[in-house]
Amino acid sequence: EAQVTQNPRYLITVTGKKLTVTCSQNMNHEYMSWYRQDPGLGLRQIYYSMNVEVTDKGDVPEGYKVSRKEKRNFPLILESPSPNQTSLYFCASSPRGAATEAFFGQGTRLTVV
Amino acid sequence: GQSLEQPSEVTAVEGAIVQINCTYQTSGFYGLSWYQQHDGGAPTFLSYNGLDGLEETGRFSSFLSRSDSYGYLLLQELQMKDSASYFCAVRSQGGKLIFGQGTELSVKP
Repeated sequence: EAQVTQNPRYLITVTGKKLTVTCSQNMNHEYMSWYRQDPGLGLRQIYYSMNVEVTDKGDVPEGYKVSRKEKRNFPLILESPSPNQTSLYFCASSPRGAATEAFFGQGTRLTVV
Repeated sequence: GQSLEQPSEVTAVEGAIVQINCTYQTSGFYGLSWYQQHDGGAPTFLSYNGLDGLEETGRFSSFLSRSDSYGYLLLQELQMKDSASYFCAVRSQGGKLIFGQGTELSVKP
C-alpha cells in the first residue's frame, strides 16, 4: 500500500530534550516536506527536499533540522525543543512535477512542556 | 512575500452549493491545488488546476484564473460528510507547496 508513515503519532516531551520524528514513504517520490499546523495558521512549511542530499528551508525553519540521506526517509529533528514548538506536524511526499498530488502522513501531535 | 488568502469559515446547508475562494501571491506559479482535511486528520488531495478554466471531478469543481491570481473550489450537492477544512495550495519555484490558512466548512442539516 502506497503511504507516508510518521512516528510517533503522539509525543509529550520536556523542554530541551532532543527528539526525532521519523517520516518514510514507499512511493519513490522525489519531493518530501515537513509542515506544522497550528489553529488559525494553516499548514506552514518547515523544510522541504527536492531529492537526496538536497534540503531547503521553508517558512518556519527555526529550531528544526532535517536530513535526506535516503530517498525514502526524511526525519525531522528538534535539537532543543521549546514549548512554542508544541504543534501538529505533517510529513508529505510527492513525485516530481507541478501537477502532482502530495501525500501526507497521519500526523504527529507534539507537546513540549 | 508569498501568501494565499481564503475565507476562514463558511457555513451552508445540506444539498446546497458553496464556493471557497483563494487568491495568491507567490514567487513562481506552477498550479493551484485543493486539499481537504477532516478534523485533525491528514490532508487529502482534491484537485489541481495548471491552466485557466474549470476542472470537474464529481461533485467538486475547481477554477483558476492566472491573470487574476485567483481560484475557487465549488462543492455541489453538499453532504454532512463534506464538513471539513479546505486548503488551497500553490506549487511555486523549487517544488515548494505553499498552503493557505484553510477554510472551515460547516454543513448544516
